[in-house]
Amino acid sequence: DTGVSQNPRHKITKRGQNVTFRCDPISEHNRLYWYRQTLGQGPEFLTYFQNEAQLEKSRLLSDRFSAERPKGSFSTLEIQRTEQGDSAMYLCASSFYRDYYTGELFFGEGSRLTVL
Amino acid sequence: KNQVEQSPQSLIILEGKNCTLQCNYTVSPFSNLRWYKQDTGRGPVSLTIMTFSENTKSNGRYTATLDADTKQSSLHITASQLSDSASYICVVSRGVFDDMRFGAGTRLTVKP
Repeated sequence: DTGVSQNPRHKITKRGQNVTFRCDPISEHNRLYWYRQTLGQGPEFLTYFQNEAQLEKSRLLSDRFSAERPKGSFSTLEIQRTEQGDSAMYLCASSFYRDYYTGELFFGEGSRLTVL
Repeated sequence: KNQVEQSPQSLIILEGKNCTLQCNYTVSPFSNLRWYKQDTGRGPVSLTIMTFSENTKSNGRYTATLDADTKQSSLHITASQLSDSASYICVVSRGVFDDMRFGAGTRLTVKP
């Protein structure tokens, strides 16, 4: 399977626990994005990487959130001290970016987080 | 304000009928506009991408139109099928930095 892969697909955790999500993008894609999506809403931008550099972070990304993309390959999104408001679908997407244009954006299936 | 507004919020149609979904945007400067289909619990899948110079783009039974002057786009679905039941999301990219803005989506239900 050469698509964008996200793990785990579902995570149920208790408030205050830390969780980590992993995203494996399409191999030749240099850009990787993280979005959060709640029921009935479109995806909300969290952060993105070009290769290993994190170029932008949304104000939605509080200090409890951290994302990394070591070596410009897979990425992890960690949420510390989870709160019930963090319950959402976390989507990862990747694309090939060149000349100020983002090619087709391929999304993973998402990681659904439920905080009890 | 760099917003993307979609209408209607939800739509129910009978199988075989056509429908049109709307996307109005205030994003500026405009770079490109994309339509995605998202099945429940799945990630969005790209349907079309249109740049400033493109007025129409088709992908099978899906046809997207773009009027960059009025900042409006539509997605027309022909001869709907049950599998078309999904959310359809409009995404507008802004300017040189290709900053993408997502609409909230239109939830389409196709009934037999």
